[in-house]
Amino acid sequence: DGGITQSPKYLFRKEGQNVTLSCEQNLNHDAMYWYRQDPGQGLRLIYYSQIVNDFQKGDIAEGYSVSREKKESFPLTVTSAQKNPTAFYLCASNRDGAYEQYFGPGTRLTVT
Amino acid sequence: GQNIDQPTEMTATEGAIVQINCTYQTSGFNGLLWYQQHAGEAPTFLSYNVLDGLEEKGRFSSFLSRSKGYSYLLLKELQMKDSASYLCAVRDLASGGSYIPTFGRGTSLIVHP
Repeated sequence: DGGITQSPKYLFRKEGQNVTLSCEQNLNHDAMYWYRQDPGQGLRLIYYSQIVNDFQKGDIAEGYSVSREKKESFPLTVTSAQKNPTAFYLCASNRDGAYEQYFGPGTRLTVT
Repeated sequence: GQNIDQPTEMTATEGAIVQINCTYQTSGFNGLLWYQQHAGEAPTFLSYNVLDGLEEKGRFSSFLSRSKGYSYLLLKELQMKDSASYLCAVRDLASGGSYIPTFGRGTSLIVHP
């Protein structure tokens, strides 16, 4: 079945450690996105990529990094520079020019 | 950037009708989307409006007025499973030349018997 996968569902890390969240899609979508969601909040855009080997900062990119070496994959690294990394992270994708985004199941990251 | 405003929480009775409003301010509008999100899950797409008017899809309808910067999501014949957060998102032109959605904070709808 086509879709977006994120792993793991739950992730725990110690403060000061970098952590990478995976996002893979087999929908052949060009555009991919990373969002962060805090309790009772909407989705805030971290990074997005419209094409392989290119990506753009979103509204809250500080403390995060991404890569887009393959069309199917858009991993997000939460660095130790991110002051409040504990959150629910959602990856999404869509066809070039399409309005509907498809979301992965999310990764809940807890940093203590 | 955008300013998207929607109520934080609403309650309604099973079988009733509820209207969730969304107001926005944007410079390069290219459509408004509504998503449903159950707690701890990913958002799922409900509707898309780019022209003024009402779009109906089963029990759910969405309305857009571009001149007023206003949209609403109408849910009819409410069911308990409709208890969820409803996210309003506006597509706007980003600096890179692509249309990127910006999400509101979401409206938590509680349906009670």
